[in-house]
Amino acid sequence: DAMVIQNPRYQVTQFGKPVTLSCSQTLNHNVMYWYQQKSSQAPKLLFHYYDKDFNNEADTPDNFQSRRPNTSFCFLDIRSPGLGDAAMYLCATSRGSHGSYEQYFGPGTRLTVT
Amino acid sequence: AQSVTQLGSHVSVSEGALVLLRCNYSSSVPPYLFWYVQYPNQGLQLLLKYTSAATLVKGINGFEAEFKKSETSFHLTKPSAHMSDAAEYFCAVSDERNTGFQKLVFGTGTRLLVSP
Repeated sequence: DAMVIQNPRYQVTQFGKPVTLSCSQTLNHNVMYWYQQKSSQAPKLLFHYYDKDFNNEADTPDNFQSRRPNTSFCFLDIRSPGLGDAAMYLCATSRGSHGSYEQYFGPGTRLTVT
Repeated sequence: AQSVTQLGSHVSVSEGALVLLRCNYSSSVPPYLFWYVQYPNQGLQLLLKYTSAATLVKGINGFEAEFKKSETSFHLTKPSAHMSDAAEYFCAVSDERNTGFQKLVFGTGTRLLVSP
């Protein structure tokens, strides 16, 4: 089945130690998104890629970076994680063509910062 | 800017009872509307979507929602709750009509509790 895959599902990192979360998709979608979801809150969009074009949300901290080396993969890098960065990180994709509306989500990576 | 309001952070129903989860939207243009479900420690799964076709939208797992422009509402219903429906439900709106990028604005979510 075509899908969005996130690895690892659970990640523990130390305060200030860089961490990378990965997302891959077999849907061949043009757009890939990264969301941060804190406990009992709605997902918050951090940034998205439309093909190779990177689009940062205005309020996304500089501590968060992303890479998309090819259509299938997208990475979220947190340069110096703080305790406030502990959250579920969700990757999503969408086709990117007019008339396609929904986003497809991966299972998420739960990040713990110790 | 568009926004979504979900009334009730928690809704409790008995198994077999009607499920009604409320969503009101604000948008300056006709919106696209979505309901997503999230089970514990899982990603979001699309239940249904409204994209300006039929106002009554049927989704997966027996859920449906009706778009009411006059009330700016898109409430989610299911005639008979099942234990497996217990989850967090998010309403979302997008008004990106002319691009391929859909920025979703989510409501704060409603946790559905189903008792035996």
